[in-house]
Amino acid sequence: DAKTTQPTSMDCAEGRAANLPCNHSTISGNEYVYWYRQIHSQGPQYIIHGLKNNETNEMASLIITEDRKSSTLILPHATLRDTAVYYCIVRVAELNTGNQFYFGTGTSLTVIP
Amino acid sequence: DSGVTQTPKHLITATGQRVTLRCSPRSGDLSVYWYQQSLDQGLQFLIQYYNGEERAKGNILERFSAQQFPDLHSELNLSSLELGDSALYFCASSLTGTAGEAFFGQGTRLTVV
Repeated sequence: DAKTTQPTSMDCAEGRAANLPCNHSTISGNEYVYWYRQIHSQGPQYIIHGLKNNETNEMASLIITEDRKSSTLILPHATLRDTAVYYCIVRVAELNTGNQFYFGTGTSLTVIP
Repeated sequence: DSGVTQTPKHLITATGQRVTLRCSPRSGDLSVYWYQQSLDQGLQFLIQYYNGEERAKGNILERFSAQQFPDLHSELNLSSLELGDSALYFCASSLTGTAGEAFFGQGTRLTVV
């Protein structure tokens, strides 16, 4: 699976948009970009995923560059409960192969009141 | 609530002992993943099962083993425990093991004394 690079930490003011970048310059054509977050030793929580197109759900938006070498997770109105470690993961989606999620070190996002 | 149930939530045991961690996946999910998270460490992938068969193996020690039963629940067996095995152990499940999100349980906190 392709490697990802994320900033170690970021701060965001409450109510503002949080933009979390991720670099995945070696991503393959069959690899999806996934975002998960982990709030203080709880089980990781799925946020969003995409292949090529930008995606939006009730939690966040995912912007993937045209060359797919990087992406940005956007939390439109950050709240204190969004303080967590955010993981960007690329993962192949093929039958008959192991499709585990490899978590890197992630970005520790702190939402400031 | 992710729908993934892990038992027990907490476990304290002595070095050299053997323990079994149990995971019940979400209803209908065929794939189960096990992860280890030590203090201040990232999530390390251990092993994946799909519909009863081992699908992928990560950084799992030879002292550790797992299986997935016909009813799709999974058990992770840890033997000859060492102090360094103290960690959070997470189980996740997904529908097919290919595309789509994985849902994580709340983990079992193992303390080896």
